[in-house]
This record gives sequence, structure tokens and C-alpha cells, in this order.
Amino acid sequence: KQEVTQIPAALSVPEGENLVLNCSFTDSAIYNLQWFRQDPGKGLTSLLLIQSSQREQTSGRLNASLDKSSGRSTLYIAASQPGDSATYLCAVLSNTGNQFYFGTGTSLTVIP
Amino acid sequence: GAVVSQHPSRVICKSGTSVKIECRSLDFQATTMFWYRQFPKQSLMLMATSNEGSKATYEQGVEKDKFLINHASLTLSTLTVTSAHPEDSSFYICSAHVAGLTDTQYFGPGTRLTVL
Repeated sequence: KQEVTQIPAALSVPEGENLVLNCSFTDSAIYNLQWFRQDPGKGLTSLLLIQSSQREQTSGRLNASLDKSSGRSTLYIAASQPGDSATYLCAVLSNTGNQFYFGTGTSLTVIP
Repeated sequence: GAVVSQHPSRVICKSGTSVKIECRSLDFQATTMFWYRQFPKQSLMLMATSNEGSKATYEQGVEKDKFLINHASLTLSTLTVTSAHPEDSSFYICSAHVAGLTDTQYFGPGTRLTVL
């Protein structure tokens, strides 16, 4: 069964810093990988979607990379802002079905 | 973009009562809807997959008689928590899969259930 792990579990940085969130998965047979943002008590907001054939996606200050063979993805956030404070989840979609496997999340706090 | 709504957004009920949560796709038809549950400080966990017009498929460890799922139309799925207990208190999120695509799920805003 697919297992998705995120490191670190929590991260606190001063405003303006660049940071990297890590996601690893055990089964490389994935359809795609998504990074989500979750604010407390709220649903998920999709940030970036990387297809299994792609190596990276960029949106604004966010850049996500995917190394499927090694089972790793990173989310890079440039010039962090207090509004970036949230929990970030990565999820892989199995290519055997429409099922997401979620990581445990990284709780990010950006200090003004 | 595609919008998924959930109702109610928050519900508090007494132990032993049943609670119904609705998930609607507002501007598209969803052949498949997924129900997730999130306990505090834990990740989302898939509970069940709901296909329109057929019985839901439940994940291992999820009691189908306790969490009743009905997907009567292409725009509505309901999750009923029967005889709720405090341990059922959680954040329930649905997502809708757009027919013809396999790579996108649109998530609802979630429902916070508190059982006293």
C-alpha cells in the first residue's frame, strides 16, 4: 500500500526566507502528485499538480518538483510571507484508480 | 473553476443522534464523489468512494452501516453519520471527480462535526 511521508512536520521561519517542504512516497506507480494548502478548519486548496511525466511545476512563488523514480517531491516557497502560514499536504494519485494517498502534512508558520 | 459545496459547514449534535452531510457539485456533474475524514493533527483519510447510482465502496476499517452514503444524482452525495458518538467528531470533506478526467478532484469546504 502507498505510504506518503512529509518532512518536517512543522516549520517556523522568519518572513522573507526561502523554504523547502519535502514529500516522499513508497510506490512510484503514480498518476500524478498534488500539493495542497489547508487553513485551520478549512477544506483543501490545490496549489500545484504535477503529472507523472513531468518534473516540475511553477505557480508564482511556488515551485514543485517530482522525482518519481526515487519517490520524492519538494515544494519550494520563495520569499515567504505571513499569509503563507498554513498546513501543506502532498498527495499522490494512484494510477490503479482514482484514489489519493495523503501525507501527514507540514505545518508552516511564517513570522512577521 | 468547478465548485463543490458542503452543507452544513458546522454541526453540533448529541450522542446517539444521526447527522446528514450534503456534498454538491454546483456547476458540473460528478460521477464519483469521495468522502474524507480528518482527525486533529492527522492527515485526510479516505472513507469511501461514492459512484452515482451504485453502492459506495468503503475503505477498510470504515463501518458502512454507521456511515451511510447515498449518491442519488450526478450533483449530490450525502453522508449520514448514524448514532453519532464523540469519537466521530471530526472534519469531513468531500471531493468530486469530473467525469471523463482522472486527474482532478474538486474539494468541498468541509463540515466540522462535534458530537457531545
